[in-house]
Amino acid sequence: DAGVIQSPRHEVTEMGQEVTLRCKPISGHNSLFWYRQTMMRGLELLIYFNNNVPIDDSGMPEDRFSAKMPNASFSTLKIQPSEPRDSAVYFCASSLRGGGSNTGELFFGEGSRLTVL
Amino acid sequence: QKEVEQNSGPLSVPEGAIASLNCTYSDRVSQSFFWYRQYSGKSPELIMSIYSNGDKEDGRFTAQLNKASQYVSLLIRDSQPSDSATYLCAVNMRSGGSNYKLTFGKGTLLTVNP
Repeated sequence: DAGVIQSPRHEVTEMGQEVTLRCKPISGHNSLFWYRQTMMRGLELLIYFNNNVPIDDSGMPEDRFSAKMPNASFSTLKIQPSEPRDSAVYFCASSLRGGGSNTGELFFGEGSRLTVL
Repeated sequence: QKEVEQNSGPLSVPEGAIASLNCTYSDRVSQSFFWYRQYSGKSPELIMSIYSNGDKEDGRFTAQLNKASQYVSLLIRDSQPSDSATYLCAVNMRSGGSNYKLTFGKGTLLTVNP
């Protein structure tokens, strides 16, 4: 079975450019999560969706970040304009159930490593 | 206070020893607790979940939960070099209203020496 698929795996861009990260969750999972990981801050939740609806975006750092989930099999995380401090590994994860007190196991994609010069 | 706290390590143990990893959390009403393992350059993968006070064993791994003390631990018996990784504690915490979010600690780097 295919796991969570993320693209691109690596992205190097210049400050000010737009970056779009993509995610395909595991088929049948109804929750999708975007996390960011850095050495300094660890793994931080940016936003999560239940049944394609954004539930909690309190972790989105600022208006430069936006996320969409137009259907159950696709999500994007966009950064516009990008800044060097956005450099991190961005993980997408999906779950059979999420957002409630009984959030189950998260399955992570391989991550997208972003470097903003 | 940080929401989920772990000793960053590194924790170094000899092969065959018991490795003990600890985690504390701030939200008293949290009900779900997880340990994830992350190898260098890879994504986190779930190794243990625990929901009730006490111990839960799975092979060489034992998770321990004490909700009164807001404390979760992971014991790895007969540690192997292949256990060398960063171990992330994750707690399902309230994020407003009836919503919860899985909040991770920064992780403890474990090195098992042959």
